[in-house]
Amino acid sequence: ETGVTQSPTHLIKTRGQQVTLRCSSQSGHNTVSWYQQALGQGPQFIFQYYREEENGRGNFPPRFSGLQFPNYSSELNVNALELDDSALYLCASSFSSVETQYFGPGTRLLVL
Amino acid sequence: RKEVEQDPGPFNVPEGATVAFNCTYSNSASQSFFWYRQDCRKEPKLLMSVYSSGNEDGRFTAQLNRASQYISLLIRDSKLSDSATYLCVVNSMDSNYQLIWGAGTKLIIKP
Repeated sequence: ETGVTQSPTHLIKTRGQQVTLRCSSQSGHNTVSWYQQALGQGPQFIFQYYREEENGRGNFPPRFSGLQFPNYSSELNVNALELDDSALYLCASSFSSVETQYFGPGTRLLVL
Repeated sequence: RKEVEQDPGPFNVPEGATVAFNCTYSNSASQSFFWYRQDCRKEPKLLMSVYSSGNEDGRFTAQLNRASQYISLLIRDSKLSDSATYLCVVNSMDSNYQLIWGAGTKLIIKP
């Protein structure tokens, strides 16, 4: 196991609602990256946090936001949920922004 | 054109056979390349990094061809447990830390 944990494991929401997903990074890692993986697709980069600052962002709208805490755990918030937000949300931690990333088990989000 | 492209498969291969698949990338300036393995409904796990000189890890061999902009993965003596989706990953043209993922190649090893 990688030591990266995510919660919750599964979540069902309705369109328009808001959701918060959580990630605890592996001990010693200061960087967390978030990805969205739709069924049959590869992960799509959402953003990365390095030492509590956003360190890069993919092509996702502002309703996807996040933060990183002093212990390097992280949250992903999605407002105004849309049906297409249904996906597996993965977080990955690493020693730095360019080192190998280790993934948590993911959170499966279903938007109805 | 997608930044990273893979044949989705599935590749149906008998146990013990050798299988190879490629991944093409569009950014000639990409520096980092990886193969990840993802089992059904699980998170991706790093299989191996891909170095310019090529590298081998047991039954797995990865090669990089910069001139043609592709990386390859060769699996020898395939096992039933090799059945998974193999994801090709390349660092983006925008920054070194943003990884771009292929959609994956599904491999099914049959007894």
